[in-house]
Amino acid sequence: GAVVSQHPSWVICKSGTSVKIECRSLDFQATTMFWYRQFPKQSLMLMATSNEGSKATYEQGVEKDKFLINHASLTLSTLTVTSAHPEDSSFYICSARDVSGGGETQYFGPGTRLLVL
Amino acid sequence: EDQVTQSPEALRLQEGESSSLNCSYTVSGLRGLFWYRQDPGKGPEFLFTLYSAGEEKEKERLKATLTKKESFLHITAPKPEDSATYLCAVQARSGNTPLVFGKGTRLSVIA
Repeated sequence: GAVVSQHPSWVICKSGTSVKIECRSLDFQATTMFWYRQFPKQSLMLMATSNEGSKATYEQGVEKDKFLINHASLTLSTLTVTSAHPEDSSFYICSARDVSGGGETQYFGPGTRLLVL
Repeated sequence: EDQVTQSPEALRLQEGESSSLNCSYTVSGLRGLFWYRQDPGKGPEFLFTLYSAGEEKEKERLKATLTKKESFLHITAPKPEDSATYLCAVQARSGNTPLVFGKGTRLSVIA
């Protein structure tokens, strides 16, 4: 199946710093990517939809200025957690929509674990 | 509102004991129903996409089926390595909509 990578796989940072997470579709182009966060033993929570070349669409309750999303190319979306605080510690997962071959499937990255001290 | 309900929340099986996971859904026009497997600390791994009622797909010990109201993930003679959380999601036909996920079924297969 298609491959989506995330970098870094884990990060520890001090409170107040900003952290950037990259999401890449390695073998297909993705006009649409998604960012989720997941708390332990809970399901995925959609944060925002990232569209190539346009502004991201944020879910209700997600702060746009806190979680900056940039989708500058068809294979790369980035999530920047600005001025991170301990409550931002979570598992962040991106996904990319593959519409090639007539179907439409969303592939997920391996996730990034963020710990804010 | 599009909705996905998975049952049971957790399932414990003996190795070799076949069973089924259920995914009930309501959606304003189904574009696709998706099954994923998620291991702890990892992103979901794509398993199947089903597009229309009556469709079936198989992969090793897993078989997914679809009706107009629900999908089943049948696990035949499971092994301990099948232990994971299985997620079901639907995508509505209208527009560029994100997937709507169920809460998942945590499967444990005991040797």
